[in-house]
Parts: sequence; C-alpha cells; structure tokens
Amino acid sequence: EAQVTQNPRYLITVTGKKLTVTCSQNMNHEYMSWYRQDPGLGLRQIYYSMNVEVTDKGDVPEGYKVSRKEKRNFPLILESPSPNQTSLYFCASSSSGGHYGYTFGSGTRLTVV
Amino acid sequence: AQRVTQPEKLLSVFKGAPVELKCNYSYSGSPELFWYVQYSRQRLQLLLRHISRESIKGFTADLNKGETSFHLKKPFAQEEDSAMYYCALSEVGNQAGTALIFGKGTTLSVSS
Repeated sequence: EAQVTQNPRYLITVTGKKLTVTCSQNMNHEYMSWYRQDPGLGLRQIYYSMNVEVTDKGDVPEGYKVSRKEKRNFPLILESPSPNQTSLYFCASSSSGGHYGYTFGSGTRLTVV
Repeated sequence: AQRVTQPEKLLSVFKGAPVELKCNYSYSGSPELFWYVQYSRQRLQLLLRHISRESIKGFTADLNKGETSFHLKKPFAQEEDSAMYYCALSEVGNQAGTALIFGKGTTLSVSS
C-alpha cells in the first residue's frame, strides 16, 4: 500500500531534550515536506526537500532541522524543543513538486512541557 | 506573495442543504488549486484538483481566474461531510519544489 509513515504518533517530552520524528514513504517520491498544524493558523510548512541531499526552509523553520540522506526518509529533528513547538506535525510527499497532490502521513502530536 | 484565504472558520449547515466553502487566492502566475479534507483525528486527504475537473463525494470546485476563487460546492450536504477543509495552491511548472500553500481551513459541520 502506498503510504507515508510517521513515528511516533504521540510524543510528550521536556524542554531541551532532543528528539527526532521519522517520516518514510514507499512511493519513490522526490518531494517531501514537513508541516505543523495549529488551531487558527492552519498548516504551515517547516522544511521541504526536492530530492536526496536537497533541502530548503519553509515558512517556519526556526528550531527545526531536517536531513534527506535517502529518498524514502525525511526525519524532522528538534535539537532543543520548546513549549511553542507543541503542535501536530504532518509529513507529506509527492512526485513532480506537488502538482498531482500530496500524500500525507497520519500526523505526530508533540507536546513539549 | 502567494496567499490562500478561506474567510470562514466554521460553516454550519443542516443535512440536505447546499454547501459552499469559499477559497480565494492571490498569485501572479498560473497556479494549481486543490482541496484537502481532514476528518476527525485523521490525516489530510486530497479531495479535488482543479486540473482534473472531477466530482468527488458529490463535491465540485471550479477555478475562476477572474475572481481568483476556487470555491468548493456540494448541492446536498451529508452528516459524513463534517470535517475540516483546506484549500491549497501550488505553482504550475515550478521545479524548485515550491510549497503547497494552505489556507487556514474551514470546519464544516453538518447536523440533522
């Protein structure tokens, strides 16, 4: 089944403790992206990647890092999480830069206390 | 700057009533427009692309370049349509991996 898999689904952590949210897709998509979803703000892009070793900042990249060492994986790294990064995070992938729509993961609900 | 505006945070209708979820965009080029749906506690799913001109689950959306709008419509709402709906814009032909720009979403609530 074609899908985008995120782990974990739920995570509670403390301020300053480094964490990684994994994202993997099995569709051989070139384009992958991370979004955060917050009430009243909709979806905002954090980082995106056009292909292996090619990443760029989205609208709200501060406090996040990403890497794209393999085509299928696009982990989101929070080096020193803060409470304002408490949010629902979605990974998405697409071929051709999104022209045919994105496939989204199930989301990761992160709480930073 | 690219922008997608969904003016309504919440739209409440009765079952069987017509539905129109508004979406306006601001973009100087030639965009592609999408509607995504998010049912409670589920992932976002692609509902419609303007380029395909199809009807999914009874929903349709027409791109009006003159009014820069891409409103989502359904003639008779069903309770299972209750969800969050996002309008999104992508730049046509951009190989730089531009973002899919989302509006802030409209919650549709259909009651009996």
